[in-house]
Amino acid sequence: AQTVTQSQPEMSVQEAETVTLSCTYDTSENNYYLFWYKQPPSRQMILVIRQEAYKQQNATENRFSVNFQKAAKSFSLKISDSQLGDTAMYFCAFMGANNAGNMLTFGGGTRLMVKP
Amino acid sequence: DTGVSQNPRHKITKRGQNVTFRCDPISEHNRLYWYRQTLGQGPEFLTYFQNEAQLEKSRLLSDRFSAERPKGSFSTLEIQRTEQGDSAMYLCASSAPAAGYNSPLHFGNGTRLTVT
Repeated sequence: AQTVTQSQPEMSVQEAETVTLSCTYDTSENNYYLFWYKQPPSRQMILVIRQEAYKQQNATENRFSVNFQKAAKSFSLKISDSQLGDTAMYFCAFMGANNAGNMLTFGGGTRLMVKP
Repeated sequence: DTGVSQNPRHKITKRGQNVTFRCDPISEHNRLYWYRQTLGQGPEFLTYFQNEAQLEKSRLLSDRFSAERPKGSFSTLEIQRTEQGDSAMYLCASSAPAAGYNSPLHFGNGTRLTVT
């Protein structure tokens, strides 16, 4: 079974600055996918960024990028030029490539507050 | 694409009552998932449908819980004899028929259940 751990329950950052959210996972699978989801207050969860484990290049989506360290089983999210709208819960999630049903295993989340 | 729709948004019920939630997935998505999210935690997988077939159920899904997707479109989640521990946000998600990386989950706004 997989586990996903987010060790930072809460973080804060000043607007326009950069923040990094940590995520580690445990799996015996060699091929898998990793995701970061954002859940704004009282709003639906949306996909922020995703990474395939067999790709060494770190994924980037505009101001969001990841630092994927497969050997260390680490998948951190960096948000550059933080905006007030980035205030949300952020969840790291794991999906095994052999998982026919595409089920996700989530971490406990990190609450990010962007301060003006 | 109108997104994943869940009804009701909020449900307050007394312990011992039965409740039913509905999820309408994105129309072309053949996979549908139910997750449960307690306050301050990440979502936990409950069950998954591919078309009308329920292919996997979590051990979290006790015998008081039942989910259906009769025509492969909308789904219902029923909880019988509710308990206070059932209080949570129930999230529905759907995905298209493709490999996991290429078919990320799209979530609804959730149904928040409060059992008094």
